[in-house]
Amino acid sequence: GAGVSQSPSNKVTEKGKDVELRCDPISGHTALYWYRQSLGQGLEFLIYFQGNSAPDKSGLPSDRFSAERTGGSVSTLTIQRTQQEDSAVYLCASSSRQSIGTGRIYGYTFGSGTRLTVV
Amino acid sequence: DAKTTQPTSMDCAEGRAANLPCNHSTISGNEYVYWYRQIHSQGPQYIIHGLKNNETNEMASLIITEDRKSSTLILPHATLRDTAVYYCIVRVGSGNTGKLIFGQGTTLQVKP
Repeated sequence: GAGVSQSPSNKVTEKGKDVELRCDPISGHTALYWYRQSLGQGLEFLIYFQGNSAPDKSGLPSDRFSAERTGGSVSTLTIQRTQQEDSAVYLCASSSRQSIGTGRIYGYTFGSGTRLTVV
Repeated sequence: DAKTTQPTSMDCAEGRAANLPCNHSTISGNEYVYWYRQIHSQGPQYIIHGLKNNETNEMASLIITEDRKSSTLILPHATLRDTAVYYCIVRVGSGNTGKLIFGQGTTLQVKP
């Protein structure tokens, strides 16, 4: 598609339930990133995929959080046994490598996010 | 940790230039400076990026000091729709990592 698509746009879940958040990156973008943004806060990096592998998972806050990517395209972020502190907007971004001018740079495009509310 | 320092908030009159400063004193020679903005309830939007030279596009201009320790994003004629949080980011990692580390950004309020 033309942009990064995330679904659902809003999700309300009960404490203790598992949730899955989906990200469809821009076609051909090899890198995919997950961030989360709590109310009134900045963006917090969670995990980065290059193709189907995740070389950087350093931002995942606990072992309740996991993510996978299949076919070098769609990614799913799973949160198990959700807690109220998991309430946030979860943002996905994808990027491609572009050669511009004197160096290689990466263009990043963000989706509109999934607003997760744990009650 | 974010590698940049920005003022928490700024005001600008509509139609005037908005100049948003950013300090990145520990930037490495191969790191680029990126600017993004986030309008309420939306994902961050790319504005501009640069390495050494000043850059200009249809949205803004980026002025990078010669020592690369600071930069300024310039919105030449701010409108009410430019009210947003503006993030100055230094891209970390080499090769394909390229994750963006966001700080708290500058909340720009454009006033009529």
